Amino acid sequence: AQSVTQLGSHVSVSEGALVLLRCNYSSSVPPYLFWYVQYPNQGLQLLLKYTSAATLVKGINGFEAEFKKSETSFHLTKPSAHMSDAAEYFCAVSDHGSSNTGKLIFGQGTTLQVKP
Amino acid sequence: ETGVTQTPRHLVMGMTNKKSLKCEQHLGHNAMYWYKQSAKKPLELMFVYNFKEQTENNSVPSRFSPECPNSSHLFLHLHTLQPEDSALYLCASSTYGSKAGELFFGEGSRLTVL
Repeated sequence: AQSVTQLGSHVSVSEGALVLLRCNYSSSVPPYLFWYVQYPNQGLQLLLKYTSAATLVKGINGFEAEFKKSETSFHLTKPSAHMSDAAEYFCAVSDHGSSNTGKLIFGQGTTLQVKP
Repeated sequence: ETGVTQTPRHLVMGMTNKKSLKCEQHLGHNAMYWYKQSAKKPLELMFVYNFKEQTENNSVPSRFSPECPNSSHLFLHLHTLQPEDSALYLCASSTYGSKAGELFFGEGSRLTVL
């Protein structure tokens, strides 16, 4: 069975500081991995995805994530936080078979707070 | 028009009421989903429809009844709910195939069961 663990339910950074949100996955088959963001009172929006091509994936709003098979990790980073990055971030996994059906397993989410 | 529209945005109902949530997508997708988002819990996949056919029912209680009349519309019929069913219900859509994991979500329907 696949699963996702997001380390830290709440992360606080200062504006301009590095953002690092951690995600570890468990999968018996090569995974597809995703990061979604949810702004207050909105639905989720896809930030980026890994589908077994390049291990370093660039997404929207300056975010990127690196797939590390040896560490079973897919951490999300951004070099310099902006106030508008304050939101909840979700890591998700699917296997190649389920990827055709959109069946994703989500982590519990990490709330990012950005302090001025 | 936004990509995925959900109505109503907020709903309060008693345990004996019958109500429905509606979702409409304007993206030309052929797969639609219902997810449940509860406080401090991961998003839970409830139902998946591909080309109007239900392909996933994630052991959802029968008091939740989905309906997908066409690829653009998805309903969630609610009856005799319990207070623990209070949550944000998110509808999503995608293409079927290699980009199916790229879900487009609506803003959700916030349900409170009294």
